[in-house]
Amino acid sequence: GAVVSQHPSWVICKSGTSVKIECRSLDFQATTMFWYRQFPKQSLMLMATSNEGSKATYEQGVEKDKFLINHASLTLSTLTVTSAHPEDSSFYICSANRPLAGVDEQFFGPGTRLTVL
Amino acid sequence: GNSVTQMEGPVTLSEEAFLTINCTYTATGYPSLFWYVQYPGEGLQLLLKATKADDKGSNKGFEATYRKETTSFHLEKGSVQVSDSAVYFCALRPIQGAQKLVFGQGTRLTINP
Repeated sequence: GAVVSQHPSWVICKSGTSVKIECRSLDFQATTMFWYRQFPKQSLMLMATSNEGSKATYEQGVEKDKFLINHASLTLSTLTVTSAHPEDSSFYICSANRPLAGVDEQFFGPGTRLTVL
Repeated sequence: GNSVTQMEGPVTLSEEAFLTINCTYTATGYPSLFWYVQYPGEGLQLLLKATKADDKGSNKGFEATYRKETTSFHLEKGSVQVSDSAVYFCALRPIQGAQKLVFGQGTRLTINP
């Protein structure tokens, strides 16, 4: 099946610093990628929809200036957590929509665990 | 609004036991329903899906039937294996053609030999 990678798989940073997480579709082109956040023992919550070449669409309650999303190519989307604080510590998961697989199939990355000290 | 509720885990079973993981949903209209599985260290993978009432999705011995009358999509398997140990997520897609998914909280399944 289609493969989506994320880098890094985990990161620890100091409060106030910014962290960039990459999401790549390795064997297909993805016009649309999604970013999710998952708290322990809780559901995946959609943060934003990232469309190649245009601005991301953020879900209600997600701060655009806090979570910067860039989808500069058909195989790469990045999520930058700016001025991170301990409450931003979470598991961040991306997914990529593969058009040939049908409208409703998303392929997920393995996730990135962010810990802010 | 749209929401998905799964049975709380963790669930621990012995090999060859019968598995049921309950999933109920709230949605307007007729959503598509999905089960995803996440094996340790890997991304979520689509396990099965159903797009309309009474549809049965099946894959790898797992089955789930779209029950509109009870707004449910329970996951079942007749005889589980150790390799089925994973976290299982029920999800819905609210509108035909839309791409957004709404997930349940996930159920961790552990199968002991």
